[in-house]
Amino acid sequence: AQKITQTQPGMFVQEKEAVTLDCTYDTSDQSYGLFWYKQPSSGEMIFLIYQGSYDEQNATEGRYSLNFQKARKSANLVISASQLGDSAMYFCAMREEGQNFVFGPGTRLSVLP
Amino acid sequence: NAGVTQTPKFQVLKTGQSMTLQCAQDMNHNSMYWYRQDPGMGLRLIYYSASEGTTDKGEVPNGYNVSRLNKREFSLRLESAAPSQTSVYFCASKRQGGLGETQYFGPGTRLLVL
Repeated sequence: AQKITQTQPGMFVQEKEAVTLDCTYDTSDQSYGLFWYKQPSSGEMIFLIYQGSYDEQNATEGRYSLNFQKARKSANLVISASQLGDSAMYFCAMREEGQNFVFGPGTRLSVLP
Repeated sequence: NAGVTQTPKFQVLKTGQSMTLQCAQDMNHNSMYWYRQDPGMGLRLIYYSASEGTTDKGEVPNGYNVSRLNKREFSLRLESAAPSQTSVYFCASKRQGGLGETQYFGPGTRLLVL
């Protein structure tokens, strides 16, 4: 069963605007972690942000924030003030306690000048 | 400041040929992983090594073998390459710790099997 769903294969956003990339997950565990990674066209995977299932505050890292809605099992990535360099593939991932990472299929974000 | 390194960067094989993908990390991490990335499917785990001396199958292990040579190095071997193994392969490592420990990825190896 698909544990991570990213329903947006591709997204466009105008430079300087905010954009939300959706991620929903499936788990029956109480303890788990959610991660977002960026993959630019150069191919490397870059860690962006982490949210623990017990964290009461939404995680933030600079222009990245994670909109964590536990009851809805969603962990959407919000990028504020988009820049051309934000054009990339974005992957949502989850790790349950004692388990390995599971990745979603990714969303390709294109930032328009 | 190398992090995770992978060799080669690109490789073209003919069906039936064998090859080994090399991975090394200099961060003293215990856990190492091999993934393959295919369009529309994200990263899928092939094999992992939770610590030196142990290896385990992931989601898609068929057609692959691995060796954890020492704490630094984790290699992936294709004994008889098939066109279905055309993919981008990523090695990753992670230190032991809580759920918030991220993986660190190598630059990837692009493999084309003809």
